Amino acid sequence: QKEVEQNSGPLSVPEGAIASLNCTYSDRVSQSFFWYRQYSGKSPELIMSIYSNGDKEDGRFTAQLNKASQYVSLLIRDSQPSDSATYLCAVNTINDYKLSFGAGTTVTVRA
Amino acid sequence: DARVTQTPRHKVTEMGQEVTMRCQPILGHNTVFWYRQTMMQGLELLAYFRNRAPLDDSGMPKDRFSAEMPDATLATLKIQPSEPRDSAVYFCASDNSYPNTEAFFGQGTRLTVV
Repeated sequence: QKEVEQNSGPLSVPEGAIASLNCTYSDRVSQSFFWYRQYSGKSPELIMSIYSNGDKEDGRFTAQLNKASQYVSLLIRDSQPSDSATYLCAVNTINDYKLSFGAGTTVTVRA
Repeated sequence: DARVTQTPRHKVTEMGQEVTMRCQPILGHNTVFWYRQTMMQGLELLAYFRNRAPLDDSGMPKDRFSAEMPDATLATLKIQPSEPRDSAVYFCASDNSYPNTEAFFGQGTRLTVV
């Protein structure tokens, strides 16, 4: 089983809709959770971090964490064509602090 | 504008040649990660350092890959000899938010081995 799994996508949403991305992780001692955005041909860019259970909002992005279910999600509200990218979930484990990534979910926002 | 700098941006080399990729982390960042990205495997962690000490290089093929951090401003990833299957984008990332690891990525080195 991979350490970090994401819904494989691709995900296509109309402009203005909500895009919902999911991620599960296998290591119960994971402590920090991140969402990166990667445009085609570019490097990953950190857009959200979340460390405790619940929701964290930043502009149109909301990250949700449920450690009991080993689940983290990202909601993109009022999706824009500029949100079209691959979104990578990353998890940091407490034992060794290495940062592991999921395979990514490609989102396309249709104008 | 603080950023992670990687050189070269692109490298085409013949099978069997040595390849060296360099990374300058953000000034003051004490953790450096090396990742490899391919369509098939996604982002794979190859090695990482904290305060210049290697913490884990279990993701690297040991017989041909080596990673070092000769000083706080330079990390290197070397492949010798290179093989076509090493063709990928290699990313360096740095971080100074221990233990939460908010890493910032360089632009990557696109390696093609022919």
